[in-house]
Amino acid sequence: SQTIHQWPATLVQPVGSPLSLECTVEGTSNPNLYWYRQAAGRGLQLLFYSIGIGQISSEVPQNLSASRPQDRQFILSSKKLLLSDSGFYLCAWDLTGNSKNEQFFGPGTRLTVL
Amino acid sequence: AQKVTQAQTEISVVEKEDVTLDCVYETRDTTYYLFWYKQPPSGELVFLIRRNSFDEQNEISGRYSWNFQKSTSSFNFTITASQVVDSAVYFCALSEPSWGKLQFGAGTQVVVTP
Repeated sequence: SQTIHQWPATLVQPVGSPLSLECTVEGTSNPNLYWYRQAAGRGLQLLFYSIGIGQISSEVPQNLSASRPQDRQFILSSKKLLLSDSGFYLCAWDLTGNSKNEQFFGPGTRLTVL
Repeated sequence: AQKVTQAQTEISVVEKEDVTLDCVYETRDTTYYLFWYKQPPSGELVFLIRRNSFDEQNEISGRYSWNFQKSTSSFNFTITASQVVDSAVYFCALSEPSWGKLQFGAGTQVVVTP
């Protein structure tokens, strides 16, 4: 069966510090991968998506970047965190090329920037 | 452009009451998929249901039921005989036909008190 992992689960970082959040998927090959952010207020905002290794698309301009060094690994990074980067970050996957498939979400990382 | 509207920010009910969550969507596509997700306090999004645009048959799964009406672009969700464990944020989402990017609504917080 497929599973999706995210770490760390929680993170408190000072403004200006770097960030690296990791997401890995097990039990499937060539998934589409997604990073979402959920700020206080509950709405989910799609940040990045990837259809393959090294292929990243950004949905909104921001202080963050994403990379996909391996098929089932998706990394969210920042060189210098801002207060506005605080939020709940969710990674998700679905099967390539089939829009009817639901996305499966990881447990999330709660980031607080102080 | 696609849009999903969940006008109810929060609904509070007493245990055993029924609760209906509204979802209205906008899309120019004739083929699309609609989803409901549950986000309990732990944060992870849990998939509940997928419905394609050509299937307007209502669906019931235990205490959950969904009413899809294409004429009014609505996909409402009812929890019958609510329980405390139903307390969560519920998201409605719409996917593009080309591939699986999801457009989420803002979510509805359901609070069920004993």
